[in-house]
Amino acid sequence: QSVLTQPPSASGTPGQRVTISCSGSSSNIGSNTVNWYQQVPGTAPKLLIYRNHQRPSGVPDRFSGSKSGTSASLAISGLQSEDEADYYCAAWDDSLNGPVVFGGGTKLTVL
Amino acid sequence: QVQLVESGGGVVQPGRSLRLSCAASGFTFTNYAIHWVRQAPGKGLEWVAVISYNGFNKYYADSAKGRFTISRDNSKNTIDLLMSILRPDDTAVYYCVRGGAVAGRYWGQGTLVTVSS
Repeated sequence: QSVLTQPPSASGTPGQRVTISCSGSSSNIGSNTVNWYQQVPGTAPKLLIYRNHQRPSGVPDRFSGSKSGTSASLAISGLQSEDEADYYCAAWDDSLNGPVVFGGGTKLTVL
Repeated sequence: QVQLVESGGGVVQPGRSLRLSCAASGFTFTNYAIHWVRQAPGKGLEWVAVISYNGFNKYYADSAKGRFTISRDNSKNTIDLLMSILRPDDTAVYYCVRGGAVAGRYWGQGTLVTVSS
């Protein structure tokens, strides 16, 4: 069981906006920043969002992140077929869980 | 360009040991902490261990404490993960990941460890 909670699946049609949630606690999301990763099966994860809402160079602005309290969200607008992948949130954790904890992952299907 | 290249994976019997290595290049190695993250077949990501830029601080997941040892050689730009008393549930792809201000920006391609008799 993962320390951070994500829905196991999400879906949308091309062009749609989809959000993926990540729920934690005061020791992780509540007091530290959140990263989001995209993983196409068979490849290494790719950093999409860091420090809650920052995008590394090369990541399209269709991807955005936000955080409120002990929860975070990843939003994907203008959904494209190539966005079909697994998405993971991660955060530092100040308790004995840590220091780094991941969500269980959300499989995004583009219908 | 930043590169992290893992090696050392393979098939190992339960109870035995295995050493993974990660060779880093393309950045100032001594400025960055390095993490190991693993992924069991068909499962999610699991953080395993981290070592600070100077090797003085090391932290482990509960699943690794007492069995895994992370180390680094700043003269060779390498990080090792010595895994002992291996169990079938240690079967996974193991990734090394660069830390720092944008932690997680760079990952290796991963190396597969299979623990099986």
